[in-house]
Amino acid sequence: GAGVSQSPSNKVTEKGKDVELRCDPISGHTALYWYRQRLGQGLEFLIYFQGNSAPDKSGLPSDRFSAERTGESVSTLTIQRTQQEDSAVYLCASSSTRELFFGEGSRLTVL
Amino acid sequence: AQSVAQPEDQVNVAEGNPLTVKCTYSVSGNPYLFWYVQYPNRGLQFLLKYITGDNLVKGSYGFEAEFNKSQTSFHLKKPSALVSDSALYFCAVGNFNKFYFGSGTKLNVKP
Repeated sequence: GAGVSQSPSNKVTEKGKDVELRCDPISGHTALYWYRQRLGQGLEFLIYFQGNSAPDKSGLPSDRFSAERTGESVSTLTIQRTQQEDSAVYLCASSSTRELFFGEGSRLTVL
Repeated sequence: AQSVAQPEDQVNVAEGNPLTVKCTYSVSGNPYLFWYVQYPNRGLQFLLKYITGDNLVKGSYGFEAEFNKSQTSFHLKKPSALVSDSALYFCAVGNFNKFYFGSGTKLNVKP
């Protein structure tokens, strides 16, 4: 597609359940980022993929969070045993020329 | 530590008046500088960027930004605000494929 696509757009889950969020980057973009945006707050870096290099996981808040990316295509962000504080919008962005292109985000609500 | 500061949580301006949204940063090296806009329940949209060259850069929707190296600032400006400019604005600073975001400034343009 023309832009970064994220799914689901909205996810409501119960505390303790696992969730998977998906990101389809712009074709040809080698870099992919995940950010978290809590209500009324700025962007919190989670993880960065660049081509086939080892990802930069320095922003993942706990070992309940993990992400994968196959080559330069789709990425999935997995949150295990969700907690209420995980409620946020999870934004994915891809890049090829020092400029980030963002998806619409996945809004996660943990009850 | 690398950081980006947007000192104003909110900026209020009357339609037709000039607007300024402030951004300062503390990031090593010669980083790239960006402004993004976020409308309600949407992802971030790119407005403009500074990589090198002229300190005044022009971007989408009539916005411009001025890079000041000595003050490490990159303030966003527009000569005449529109009600439709009301949104959340993020300053971002990129270095070696890491992007640091400010906390965002909510711009309110009143008719």
